[in-house]
Amino acid sequence: DAMVIQNPRYQVTQFGKPVTLSCSQTLNHNVMYWYQQKSSQAPKLLFHYYDKDFNNEADTPDNFQSRRPNTSFCFLDIRSPGLGDAAMYLCATSRQAYTDTQYFGPGTRLTVL
Amino acid sequence: GENVEQHPSTLSVQEGDSAVIKCTYSDSASNYFPWYKQELGKRPQLIIDIRSNVGEKKDQRIAVTLNKTAKHFSLHITETQPEDSAVYFCAASNGGGYQKVTFGTGTKLQVIP
Repeated sequence: DAMVIQNPRYQVTQFGKPVTLSCSQTLNHNVMYWYQQKSSQAPKLLFHYYDKDFNNEADTPDNFQSRRPNTSFCFLDIRSPGLGDAAMYLCATSRQAYTDTQYFGPGTRLTVL
Repeated sequence: GENVEQHPSTLSVQEGDSAVIKCTYSDSASNYFPWYKQELGKRPQLIIDIRSNVGEKKDQRIAVTLNKTAKHFSLHITETQPEDSAVYFCAASNGGGYQKVTFGTGTKLQVIP
């Protein structure tokens, strides 16, 4: 009965080779978030969708893009991964606003060679 | 924007003792304060949250207190057990518009059997 699913769980890519991470949810939540988490650090919000409205964080590099084709799915595209992009990428959802509980997926561990 | 400071960064306690983690926030408009537990290699999971209209909330061995005047909130874990060992993140949000949840830097709690 997984609620927030991320695929793949582990992704290895080469420097500069585009990669797409996916997230799906069965909660029918309006808000979906993408976070980047590096070792021993707090999750860092990259962007989020409130329904179809896309909201980018000011310090999110242009190298990161996102798509939400429908309520259930959200994708994170990294156009040209660098070594510094190696991290855990967490997807989360919440019912409505930021003051609703966020439910995190298991994450995708990205390795850049 | 919001700034959340969290202390201590590491905490070791003997099994059965209590653990306290403290956070301060900067935005007086913040009104939602969740706490997340993240075990090694796993997703963050909400363990308790508090809203600004209450000063304390308890759930079994876990409690959170909020002092709006001083702009700080704390997590209290009593009768600690080895399975409480994890990284704990506090966070704050005012939920207004697209105000995001801002995470603290995390506390690594080790419960020594």
